[in-house]
Amino acid sequence: NAGVMQNPRHLVRRRGQEARLRCSPMKGHSHVYWYRQLPEEGLKFMVYLQKENIIDESGMPKERFSAEFPKEGPSILRIQQVVRGDSAAYFCASITTLSGEKLFFGSGTQLSVL
Amino acid sequence: KQEVTQIPAALSVPEGENLVLNCSFTDSAIYNLQWFRQDPGKGLTSLLLIQSSQREQTSGRLNASLDKSSGRSTLYIAASQPGDSATYLCAVIKAAGNKLTFGGGTRVLVKP
Repeated sequence: NAGVMQNPRHLVRRRGQEARLRCSPMKGHSHVYWYRQLPEEGLKFMVYLQKENIIDESGMPKERFSAEFPKEGPSILRIQQVVRGDSAAYFCASITTLSGEKLFFGSGTQLSVL
Repeated sequence: KQEVTQIPAALSVPEGENLVLNCSFTDSAIYNLQWFRQDPGKGLTSLLLIQSSQREQTSGRLNASLDKSSGRSTLYIAASQPGDSATYLCAVIKAAGNKLTFGGGTRVLVKP
């Protein structure tokens, strides 16, 4: 049973470009969280998604950021017109309520904005 | 708003010593508390999950306690090894289907 898969592992973008981060949850998991970790800081919640539904996006910046989790395929975190402050590690986690809300994390995508 | 604090932010011990990591949270109405380990440049690995009705969980050399009323959890690592060097994070969840709120982590270095 493969774990949570995130790609790419590293992503370099120039200011103003778009970044698309992908997350495939563990098999059988239908809920996904996205977290952001800035250098020397803790993990900050961004968004919580169920397939075809956003459950909680209270941690998402109001502009340039969007997330989706379609019925088929991975969850996508999209950042438009990236700025240097977007440079961070972005982690995805999937969950099944069968394990008492235990989260399983991917290895993350390190976004670097030049 | 739930706030999670981990003290100390960094800890250095000689190999063989027991480690004690602290986590405190401001809102005692939690569903569960989890401890994670993060190695540099890597994702998080779940270590222990304590349900709100439980007082402690054990796995090998790891033991985590939970005192919900006082808003505290402690992670004990017995007989530390250099391989235990990592950042340890605690996180709480308010209710099923809610987000995890993380502490800032404790960076541990175990010196051989």
